[in-house]
Amino acid sequence: AQSVSQHNHHVILSEAASLELGCNYSYGGTVNLFWYVQYPGQHLQLLLKYFSGDPLVKGIKGFEAEFIKSKFSFNLRKPSVQWSDTAEYFCAVIPINDYKLSFGAGTTVTVRA
Amino acid sequence: NAGVTQTPKFRILKIGQSMTLQCTQDMNHNYMYWYRQDPGMGLKLIYYSVGAGITDKGEVPNGYNVSRSTTEDFPLRLELAAPSQTSVYFCASSFFGTGEIDEQFFGPGTRLTVL
Repeated sequence: AQSVSQHNHHVILSEAASLELGCNYSYGGTVNLFWYVQYPGQHLQLLLKYFSGDPLVKGIKGFEAEFIKSKFSFNLRKPSVQWSDTAEYFCAVIPINDYKLSFGAGTTVTVRA
Repeated sequence: NAGVTQTPKFRILKIGQSMTLQCTQDMNHNYMYWYRQDPGMGLKLIYYSVGAGITDKGEVPNGYNVSRSTTEDFPLRLELAAPSQTSVYFCASSFFGTGEIDEQFFGPGTRLTVL
């Protein structure tokens, strides 16, 4: 079974700082990749997804992620965070033609005003 | 579209009690899932269903049961509640057609405490 690793458990930033969250997965075949965000007290929402094509994908709220196949990575970035980006972020992976998503443990991001 | 709805939002159970967590989706998705979320552990798949009448176990099925009699509904049953089942439960749905599975849409969650 595949596994998903998120390198940082908790990240604390000041507003306007840049954010990068690491995600690595262990599966040798073709995968689809997702980043979900969970704002305090809310359910998970999709930030962005990668299925194929340009490995640099853009999502909502200024987030982007880069798929590097050789490194089995799908890191999430945002050039300048806002206080409203305070949330928990989950990376998720699903092998192509499978239907069970594997989630990382999540990274809590706290943005200080 | 309401998306994925879950009831109740909160529940406190005593050890040994039973309850059913309700989940309904109105997007005509064929795939539905139940996850539990524990601090620092991400989401763990409990059960999933690929269509009405078809269910299967996920990573952590012990202590739970599911049924899927309609496309819309996917209830999760706890028969004998234990403190280890204290968690936040999320239901999700997605569409799987002839190609790849699309994103999963999540419900608002049920926060369950077993005392």
